[in-house]
Amino acid sequence: DADVTQTPRNRITKTGKRIMLECSQTKGHDRMYWYRQDPGLGLRLIYYSFDVKDINKGEISDGYSVSRQAQAKFSLSLESAIPNQTALYFCATSDLTGGYGYTFGSGTRLTVV
Amino acid sequence: QKEVEQNSGPLSVPEGAIASLNCTYSDRGSQSFFWYRQYSGKSPELIMFIYSNGDKEDGRFTAQLNKASQYVSLLIRDSQPSDSATYLCAVTNFNKFYFGSGTKLNVKP
Repeated sequence: DADVTQTPRNRITKTGKRIMLECSQTKGHDRMYWYRQDPGLGLRLIYYSFDVKDINKGEISDGYSVSRQAQAKFSLSLESAIPNQTALYFCATSDLTGGYGYTFGSGTRLTVV
Repeated sequence: QKEVEQNSGPLSVPEGAIASLNCTYSDRGSQSFFWYRQYSGKSPELIMFIYSNGDKEDGRFTAQLNKASQYVSLLIRDSQPSDSATYLCAVTNFNKFYFGSGTKLNVKP
């Protein structure tokens, strides 16, 4: 099994719908992150969590919310999806310092129509 | 100014040549430096990390770090078509992690 698992892998949803992307990890890492990637824009941080009780906004948090249900689980929600949220979404984890880099999930390709 | 700057490319090299990818960063407090490879539509994969000034070699890959110049590079020797991907540079000061936008590498057979 993968160290960081994202579900679903692909999703097409309609404008205005609420959608949840899920991430679970077996790395034992405390820190978890949600990024989106758009062509030519690189990775942009949406939210991050350093432990279960710690949630922080990233650079593009508007329109998104998160829930850290357990050390191993971090979910991203789009409350009311809009077409410009069409992107590739990645969950990532790291240890306390990030000094060994991030481990990424396989990604969720989300299309909002 | 972005925290991590990379030339977007594409960088085209013939098969068997050395590919040289470069990255500059702005935070002098950066402690760890990483290179990720990302194939189209796939997740980034860590291929090299370096903490100290100088060179670090792993197979066909060499990472080079110059903290005084705030410069990190990745050399890929004997480039193969399978190395064609986008390479992301990343740095961390242990509080924040910054990614560059990536350099697209094309290795032509």
